[in-house]
Amino acid sequence: GEDVEQSLFLSVREGDSSVINCTYTDSSSTYLYWYKQEPGAGLQLLTYIFSNMDMKQDQRLTVLLNKKDKHLSLRIADTQTGDSAIYFCAESPTGGFKTIFGAGTRLFVKA
Amino acid sequence: EAQVTQNPRYLITVTGKKLTVTCSQNMNHEYMSWYRQDPGLGLRQIYYSMNVEVTDKGDVPEGYKVSRKEKRNFPLILESPSPNQTSLYFCASQGKGHGRAEQYFGPGTRLTVT
Repeated sequence: GEDVEQSLFLSVREGDSSVINCTYTDSSSTYLYWYKQEPGAGLQLLTYIFSNMDMKQDQRLTVLLNKKDKHLSLRIADTQTGDSAIYFCAESPTGGFKTIFGAGTRLFVKA
Repeated sequence: EAQVTQNPRYLITVTGKKLTVTCSQNMNHEYMSWYRQDPGLGLRQIYYSMNVEVTDKGDVPEGYKVSRKEKRNFPLILESPSPNQTSLYFCASQGKGHGRAEQYFGPGTRLTVT
């Protein structure tokens, strides 16, 4: 069945780059998403990528997609303490709105 | 302001007492979903709706019902809640086509069933 996996924790120093990785299993996935959840809050859609793209950049965020390995990554440049949060990767198959989420990666940013 | 509202935000109830969590969006989105979030499991989709009167099961629909009589509202119904439904619930709405990037989540409803 469909599955999305992420590492649970990542710790970086302020000013460094963070790279959060995700693997997925559904080869029919068209949309791949990254969300941010701050403590006590709902989810915020950060960015998404279509499965026919390899890379997408949006200000400090860069998403890389390796379709062959079904590997997705989110790079945050110049990580700030305000970036401390849980980051979720999710996939959504072609033509549908069923969405599968990973368990989330908790990013700790040390000042 | 684009918004998804959920009510109530917090609810403590007892096993078997029917409850409804409301969800409303003001963006005229056709797509709406309900998720539950449990520690270590991320979000799991309960039900989703692609339009008025069109709903479908997500990954964990057992014990839940939904209805979509109007475009803006998508209530989640627990006919006979049980303790394993204690969780944090999120409603979301999303545009379609190129608007799929327009996606908003509600603030969450923390439900405790004793």
